[in-house]
Amino acid sequence: EIVLTQSPGTLSLSPGERATLSCRASQSVSSSYLAWYQQKPGQAPRLLIYGASSRATGIPARFSGSGSETDFTLTITRLEPEDFAVYHCQQYGSSPRTFGQGTKVEIK
Amino acid sequence: EVHLLESGGGLVQPGGSLRLSCAASGFTFSSYAMSWVRQAPGKGLEWVSGISGSGGSTYYADSVKGRFTISRDKSKNTLYLQMNSLRGEDTAVYYCALQYNYGGYFDYWGQGTLVTVSS
Repeated sequence: EIVLTQSPGTLSLSPGERATLSCRASQSVSSSYLAWYQQKPGQAPRLLIYGASSRATGIPARFSGSGSETDFTLTITRLEPEDFAVYHCQQYGSSPRTFGQGTKVEIK
Repeated sequence: EVHLLESGGGLVQPGGSLRLSCAASGFTFSSYAMSWVRQAPGKGLEWVSGISGSGGSTYYADSVKGRFTISRDKSKNTLYLQMNSLRGEDTAVYYCALQYNYGGYFDYWGQGTLVTVSS
């Protein structure tokens, strides 16, 4: 199975700053089948990005995804207070679908 | 509007059984694949099991194969997860998730139900 490694584990930033989150795969993710989710405490995950770079419905333009094969990035250009949360990546190009361990974006 | 509501979680002893339900609304139930995804306390997400829209194809993570059974009832718009031979490592919040696409990512999630396996 494909193992996804997210880094850093925790990112401490201030509102207005830029956040760059990494998701590295143990083998190539076919067709860039990589998604990103946001999860706030006590809530279910919410889809942000699919296909490595396509924003889901209703997701603000400050969220963007990029990358291919084994290296993927989620960028939040200017952090809003509501963006402090845990972010998970997921590959769906091969079975079983797997998730990274998550990156927590916390207020500095 | 899509809505997914899980139920059936609770405290169960090791070796016991539990059945989770996910009531779905807001979409054509039999047209889309669905999955169960779990999250152990303080941990990341783990895909557990998936089922095609028709219910004819089912898939399982190795960690639950032979112990869990996924099913769906289109007359009730409900997804199920029968969990047998439960272990401590099955303790988690279980989410049902809708694959409202042909890719394999999860567009919609329920709020989750907590399963605790402990004596």
